[in-house]
Amino acid sequence: GAGVSQSPSNKVTEKGKDVELRCDPISGHTALYWYRQSLGQGLEFLIYFQGNSAPDKSGLPSDRFSAERTGGSVSTLTIQRTQQEDSAVYLCASSPLTGVDLGAFFGQGTRLTVV
Amino acid sequence: KQEVTQIPAALSVPEGENLVLNCSFTDSAIYNLQWFRQDPGKGLTSLLLIQSSQREQTSGRLNASLDKSSGRSTLYIAASQPGDSATYLCAVWNQGGKLIFGQGTELSVKP
Repeated sequence: GAGVSQSPSNKVTEKGKDVELRCDPISGHTALYWYRQSLGQGLEFLIYFQGNSAPDKSGLPSDRFSAERTGGSVSTLTIQRTQQEDSAVYLCASSPLTGVDLGAFFGQGTRLTVV
Repeated sequence: KQEVTQIPAALSVPEGENLVLNCSFTDSAIYNLQWFRQDPGKGLTSLLLIQSSQREQTSGRLNASLDKSSGRSTLYIAASQPGDSATYLCAVWNQGGKLIFGQGTELSVKP
């Protein structure tokens, strides 16, 4: 695709429900990142996928959060039993295999509101 | 653990001023450094990427420098305009490909 695509753009969910956020990276990009941005805050690293390597999950805040990447392309971030503090914008980025020389490209984000 | 700090957190200047945004990082063993812009309610737009072997990059009125040994980068904006108002984010790539962000500098350029 032309850019990184995230869906939905907005999601309102009730506390305790599970949500899935989707990221379609740029075609051919092997690295994929998820970040969380709370209101007025910087970007908090969540998880990083690089090719077939085991993902770096060091930023996931709790075991309610998980992510997978199927076929080395689309990624889904799942939040189980959502809490109000999970409300934030979730941003996805991708970069090529030699991405450190070309940089990261971001999607527009999914704004999650837990009520 | 890599930490990225941006100073100032917020900056307000009159139109036409030249300005400098600062970024520092604790682990100098970075691969590259990238500056982004974020408009309210929007995603991130890449401004400049400085590779580890480079000292600076320029794009239009923007110039970014990198001094790995001292753990510093600056983003220079010449002749600022109201349209430059946004949050500017600095991010460093570590050797494993992980991208770590600073908290950003919120810039307001007054007409």
